[in-house]
Amino acid sequence: AQSVAQPEDQVNVAEGNPLTVKCTYSVSGNPYLFWYVQYPNRGLQFLLKYITGDNLVKGSYGFEAEFNKSQTSFHLKKPSALVSDSALYFCAVRDVERGYQKVTFGTGTKLQVIP
Amino acid sequence: DAGVTQSPTHLIKTRGQQVTLRCSPKSGHDTVSWYQQALGQGPQFIFQYYEEEERQRGNFPDRFSGHQFPNYSSELNVNALLLGDSALYLCASSLGGASGYTFGSGTRLTVV
Repeated sequence: AQSVAQPEDQVNVAEGNPLTVKCTYSVSGNPYLFWYVQYPNRGLQFLLKYITGDNLVKGSYGFEAEFNKSQTSFHLKKPSALVSDSALYFCAVRDVERGYQKVTFGTGTKLQVIP
Repeated sequence: DAGVTQSPTHLIKTRGQQVTLRCSPKSGHDTVSWYQQALGQGPQFIFQYYEEEERQRGNFPDRFSGHQFPNYSSELNVNALLLGDSALYLCASSLGGASGYTFGSGTRLTVV
């Protein structure tokens, strides 16, 4: 079965500092990996995805993520955090080779950017 | 270009009742997935529809059923509602498996 883990319930970072939100995954084959952001009482918004190719993926709002196959990780990063980045972030995975259609989400990490 | 539209936005039902939630996918998308998000949790996969067929199902009881129409819109039906069914129900549309989902804003279901 495919799964994803977000080990931190909350991450606090000062405005202007770099931020990292951690994610590790487990699949039988090759993964499709995604990051989404959720603001209060709203649906999820797509940030970026890794399908194949360059391990460093750039996405919306200045976010990027690095795919590391040996560590089965896909950490979300941003060089300089904004207060407006404060939200709930979800990592997600789809196992391509098992033929699964569903995307499995992690439990989420609350990012708090402190002014 | 309209995104994913869900209706209604909020709903209050009594235990034992039945509910139908509706979703119109983003223009050009042919696949609709439904997720349940309990408070403080990540979204849990209910099922996915493609070409009017249920393509994959998560670990939800048969009380949860769905339908996809020829115009790709979809419905989620829940019978015999339980208090534990209270959650945010999210519809996500996509085109193919490699694309990211586009989510609607969700339907907040409260069962009393």
